Amino acid sequence: AQSVTQLGSHVSVSEGALVLLRCNYSSSVPPYLFWYVQYPNQGLQLLLKYTSAATLVKGINGFEAEFKKSETSFHLTKPSAHMSDAAEYFCAVSEKDSSYKLIFGSGTRLLVRP
Amino acid sequence: DVKVTQSSRYLVKRTGEKVFLECVQDMDHENMFWYRQDPGLGLRLIYFSYDVKMKEKGDIPEGYSVSREKKERFSLILESASTNQTSMYLCASRQGGYSDTIYFGEGSWLTVV
Repeated sequence: AQSVTQLGSHVSVSEGALVLLRCNYSSSVPPYLFWYVQYPNQGLQLLLKYTSAATLVKGINGFEAEFKKSETSFHLTKPSAHMSDAAEYFCAVSEKDSSYKLIFGSGTRLLVRP
Repeated sequence: DVKVTQSSRYLVKRTGEKVFLECVQDMDHENMFWYRQDPGLGLRLIYFSYDVKMKEKGDIPEGYSVSREKKERFSLILESASTNQTSMYLCASRQGGYSDTIYFGEGSWLTVV
């Protein structure tokens, strides 16, 4: 079965600093990978997804992620953090069986200091 | 625009009550899901449905059941609510491909007292 590991349950950065949220996956076949964001008291919304078209994927709100097969990683980055980026971020992999479900990591809460 | 609507945002129920959480999607999606979200555990799949009247157990189905009588509607049922079912419940839908986006509702906060 596929799985996703997010390193760091909490990440704190200063406003304007680089954001780096880590995600590693386990999969025996090329995966489809997703990053979702959850703002307080809301559902999840898609930031970006990797579907094998390009290894560097650009998403909404200035975020991007790079698929690295050799490292089985799909880390999320943003060059300059904004206060509005404070949220919880989830990495997910698409299960390649008949269920079409997503397997989620445990999430990383991003705190942005003024 | 895509819409997944969960009928109740906040509920407080007593132990032993039967609880219904309703979810409707307007995208004609084949697949619908119920996830449970708890701090530090991420999202865990309770049940999913790939067609009307079809359902399969996810990772944590115990204490839950589901119903999908119409394509757009997927209900989660807690037969006899217990305090350990206090959680955030998220409904989601997806068309049918592995690369398709899953769309989520706003979530339902359930407290069982």
